[in-house]
Amino acid sequence: DQQVKQNSPSLSVQEGRISILNCDYTNSMFDYFLWYKKYPAEGPTFLISISSIKDKNEDGRFTVFLNKSAKHLSLHIVPSQPGDSAVYFCAASGSAGGTSYGKLTFGQGTILTVHP
Amino acid sequence: ETGVTQTPRHLVMGMTNKKSLKCEQHLGHNAMYWYKQSAKKPLELMFVYNFKEQTENNSVPSRFSPECPNSSHLFLHLHTLQPEDSALYLCASSRDLNTGELFFGEGSRLTVL
Repeated sequence: DQQVKQNSPSLSVQEGRISILNCDYTNSMFDYFLWYKKYPAEGPTFLISISSIKDKNEDGRFTVFLNKSAKHLSLHIVPSQPGDSAVYFCAASGSAGGTSYGKLTFGQGTILTVHP
Repeated sequence: ETGVTQTPRHLVMGMTNKKSLKCEQHLGHNAMYWYKQSAKKPLELMFVYNFKEQTENNSVPSRFSPECPNSSHLFLHLHTLQPEDSALYLCASSRDLNTGELFFGEGSRLTVL
């Protein structure tokens, strides 16, 4: 049973436009959410995170939105650039019950392609 | 370059072999992790170490045996694996257990024949 789901395996966007990547979760104990980016032949790299006490976190071109009632988060990239083409993973964790934040539950990933 | 180095990058082994994966981090972090990524499946946590002590074993079969001699090094010893264990094994480290900002290595691609 997947607790973190990214239902879109791939997304194609034109350079300069907005990319929106979506993620749903089922475990209400999750209170910390992250996005990682992965290029081929490299390990995932941390991109941005959000705590459940917030509904938005921004870092340059990247913004993550959290809707706790819908158990949904999204990553917006504006404007999208060809160098953003990668696999994007949503991840979640929780501190409840002594679980460490480093114990991440990942989604399957979404392949983003940004066309020049 | 993330500061986390994994060797070997590729490994092919038979089901009766014994091999080890090595991970080294140069970031001064105190927590280290093994994650597994099988084909078409999400990354899956295997083990967590904090200050050399194992804090998490995510129901991993005993044919996978981790070892953490110090906070900078992490090993995954492999013995009598099955073909379904073929996957990308990713090592990661973090400052401590209170952050989800993990620094991953490039992974070791394992093929079990």
